Amino acid sequence: DAKTTQPTSMDCAEGRAANLPCNHSTISGNEYVYWYRQIHSQGPQYIIHGLKNNETNEMASLIITEDRKSSTLILPHATLRDTAVYYCIVRSIAYSGAGSYQLTFGKGTKLSVIP
Amino acid sequence: NAGVMQNPRHLVRRRGQEARLRCSPMKGHSHVYWYRQLPEEGLKFMVYLQKENIIDESGMPKERFSAEFPKEGPSILRIQQVVRGDSAAYFCASQQGTSNEQFFGPGTRLTVL
Repeated sequence: DAKTTQPTSMDCAEGRAANLPCNHSTISGNEYVYWYRQIHSQGPQYIIHGLKNNETNEMASLIITEDRKSSTLILPHATLRDTAVYYCIVRSIAYSGAGSYQLTFGKGTKLSVIP
Repeated sequence: NAGVMQNPRHLVRRRGQEARLRCSPMKGHSHVYWYRQLPEEGLKFMVYLQKENIIDESGMPKERFSAEFPKEGPSILRIQQVVRGDSAAYFCASQQGTSNEQFFGPGTRLTVL
């Protein structure tokens, strides 16, 4: 899987939009961008994923640049419960040998929502 | 619709004992992944299974670790002769198909004394 680069940490005021960037400059054509978050020591929680079009669901929006080399996860109105580590992951949906389908977690971005 | 279930949530073993971790996937999901998370680190892939088959075990340590996903019942991650370095949180995730998202369980926290 392609590697991703994320800032180590970010702060966001409660009620404001949180914009979390991710660089994935070596992404290939059959690789999707996934976002997960991990609150404290819980299991990771799926947020959203996309290929090349912008995506939106009840949790967040995902903006992918036209060249697909970077993306931004947007939490429109951050709450204290959104404090977590956010992981941007690139994953193939086409089998190409061992490791094809696993999620490769980096260190993520630690988002702190401040009252 | 119950989510992914793991048990036990906490497991304490002495060095040399065996640890058995169970994972029941979401209803309708036939793909199971196991990940390990050491303190202050991200999750690391261990193994990917479908019913009765190990598809990818490229992340499994070569010795003492094994996994299965029988036709009936939960997936089992088994660690024989545990050592202190095995202390970690072990998460399983289930998936409906390979193009779908993975849903994670709450994890099992293994402590080896």
